[in-house]
Amino acid sequence: GAGVSQSPSNKVTEKGKDVELRCDPISGHTALYWYRQSLGQGLEFLIYFQGNSAPDKSGLPSDRFSAERTGGSVSTLTIQRTQQEDSAVYLCASSFMGLAGVYNEQFFGPGTRLTVL
Amino acid sequence: ELKVEQNPLFLSMQEGKNYTIYCNYSTTSDRLYWYRQDPGKSLESLFVLLSNGAVKQEGRLMASLDTKARLSTLHITAAVHDLSATYFCAVDSPGGGGSEKLVFGKGTKLTVNP
Repeated sequence: GAGVSQSPSNKVTEKGKDVELRCDPISGHTALYWYRQSLGQGLEFLIYFQGNSAPDKSGLPSDRFSAERTGGSVSTLTIQRTQQEDSAVYLCASSFMGLAGVYNEQFFGPGTRLTVL
Repeated sequence: ELKVEQNPLFLSMQEGKNYTIYCNYSTTSDRLYWYRQDPGKSLESLFVLLSNGAVKQEGRLMASLDTKARLSTLHITAAVHDLSATYFCAVDSPGGGGSEKLVFGKGTKLTVNP
């Protein structure tokens, strides 16, 4: 596709339920990032994928959060046993992984707004 | 730990006026980004500043970077209502496996009044 796409655009769930958020990066982009935007914490990094591997998971807030990427393309962020503090907009970004030290712009998707009741 | 601070967090200005938004960061980085976000929308890239002394201009917005002072500015000239949005600065924070995760400031919510 032309840009990064995410689905669903909105998700309302009950506390304690599991949710899955999907990201389709720009074709050919090997790097993929998940961020979270909330009123209290602002924009925060969650996890980084290079291909199907996640060498940087340093931003995941708890073990209820996990993510995977398959075929070097689509990524799914899963939140188990959702809590109200998980309510936020989850943004995905992708970039072309070029040479080390060379700037690789991140392109952001439209986000998924998650509301936990 | 890299920290990015923006100020002001809220800015209300009249059309036609000039103002500057400041972005300070705590550790060395040669890449700084400015994004715009409209309500309910995603992040739109405005500027990428890649070296000390870099200056970029687009329309009524001009961004600059001083890596020695760890400071970037976003200057607004003769503001118009269409510039009303939230502006974020962000800095690369290298991580494992080639990660270039971004650390964001809290954003500056700009309102331009007629």
